[in-house]
Amino acid sequence: DGGITQSPKYLFRKEGQNVTLSCEQNLNHDAMYWYRQDPGQGLRLIYYSQIVNDFQKGDIAEGYSVSREKKESFPLTVTSAQKNPTAFYLCASRTRTDTGELFFGEGSRLTVL
Amino acid sequence: GQNIDQPTEMTATEGAIVQINCTYQTSGFNGLFWYQQHAGEAPTFLSYNVLDGLEEKGRFSSFLSRSKGYSYLLLKELQMKDSASYLCAGDSGYSTLTFGKGTMLLVSP
Repeated sequence: DGGITQSPKYLFRKEGQNVTLSCEQNLNHDAMYWYRQDPGQGLRLIYYSQIVNDFQKGDIAEGYSVSREKKESFPLTVTSAQKNPTAFYLCASRTRTDTGELFFGEGSRLTVL
Repeated sequence: GQNIDQPTEMTATEGAIVQINCTYQTSGFNGLFWYQQHAGEAPTFLSYNVLDGLEEKGRFSSFLSRSKGYSYLLLKELQMKDSASYLCAGDSGYSTLTFGKGTMLLVSP
């Protein structure tokens, strides 16, 4: 079955540590996205990628980094520079950036201790 | 950019009908999405409106007025499992979707 797989589902980290969230899709989609969700804030865009080896900052990119070395994969690193990283992170993909519905992974919940 | 507004919370009774409104102001507009999200889960696609008018899918319908910058999601014959957050998202047709903050719907017996 085609879909988006995020891992880990739950993650705990200590302050000052970097952590990488995995996102893999087998839908053959060109466009991939990372959103952050906080209570009462809706979904906010962190980074997106339209094609391999290219990505753009979203509205809240500070403290995050991404890579897009393969079409199927779009990992997100939450760095120690992110001041308030505890949140629910959602990866999504779309056929292209200008068309089609957005498909979401199941999400990764990051808690900083 | 885009600005999406929707009510924060709504309550309704099982078996009733509820309408969730969404207004948008955009510099570019291709269409409007509605997603359902249960607590702790990923959003799931409900509808996509490009043209003005009402589109019906079973118990759920979605309406769009491009001239008024307005959409609504209509849920009929409410069930307890419809208790969820409903996200309105504008599609600029350029690169990303812009999401509203979501409307939390609570269905009571």
